[in-house]
Amino acid sequence: QITLKESGPTLVRPTQTLTLTCTVSEVSLSTSGVGINWIRQPPGKGLEWVALVYWNDDKRYNPSLKSRLTITKDTSKNQVVLTVTNVGPVDTATYFCAYQYYTGSEFDTWGQGALVTVSS
Amino acid sequence: DIKMTQSPSALSASIGDSVILTCRASQPISNYLNWYQQKPGKVPKVLIYGATSLQTGVPSRFSGRGSGTSFTLTISNLQPEDFATYYCQQSDATPFTFGPGTKVDLK
Repeated sequence: QITLKESGPTLVRPTQTLTLTCTVSEVSLSTSGVGINWIRQPPGKGLEWVALVYWNDDKRYNPSLKSRLTITKDTSKNQVVLTVTNVGPVDTATYFCAYQYYTGSEFDTWGQGALVTVSS
Repeated sequence: DIKMTQSPSALSASIGDSVILTCRASQPISNYLNWYQQKPGKVPKVLIYGATSLQTGVPSRFSGRGSGTSFTLTISNLQPEDFATYYCQQSDATPFTFGPGTKVDLK
């Protein structure tokens, strides 16, 4: 059974950089077709797709956030890292990582989510 | 970007009712449409993928239809555990996008 777990800070100051890690178990990030997505949800609001990295290191970003995002994967640790630079209160959200098998498919398995608050 | 819209934004229903939730895409997405259920404080759960395929373990009272730009999720014989918010999501092209959600609550 594939599992994902997000980790990172719960509180970040405005203008700082947020770094979140998604640790994936039971599937290798180098397996053909594997994609790991980041999705976020501000408190009381809807879901927003943030970024994606595929097994072949193809990376995709939400254009509205792209200038502030970097997604990377560490195959040796089976982790995906998302960094968001210059955060502001609008970045306060629960951040989920989610597994996708091949482009075009659904977000099959989600992590538990990590609530990040941006506040001074 | 492909914009997803959902209607209604909220609906009230009774146990045993059948409800139909609608999702529309701003451009054709073939059948790359997925439905998720989210309860307060919980992780979204995929119900329907590929517009019509039922995810393993999801009750058969959930069904999906549609292709192109117009899609529906039908919940038949509404059960207490079905009161939740439902999101559609297109997986045709990045940026993947979600609809704003439909909240189904108890009348």
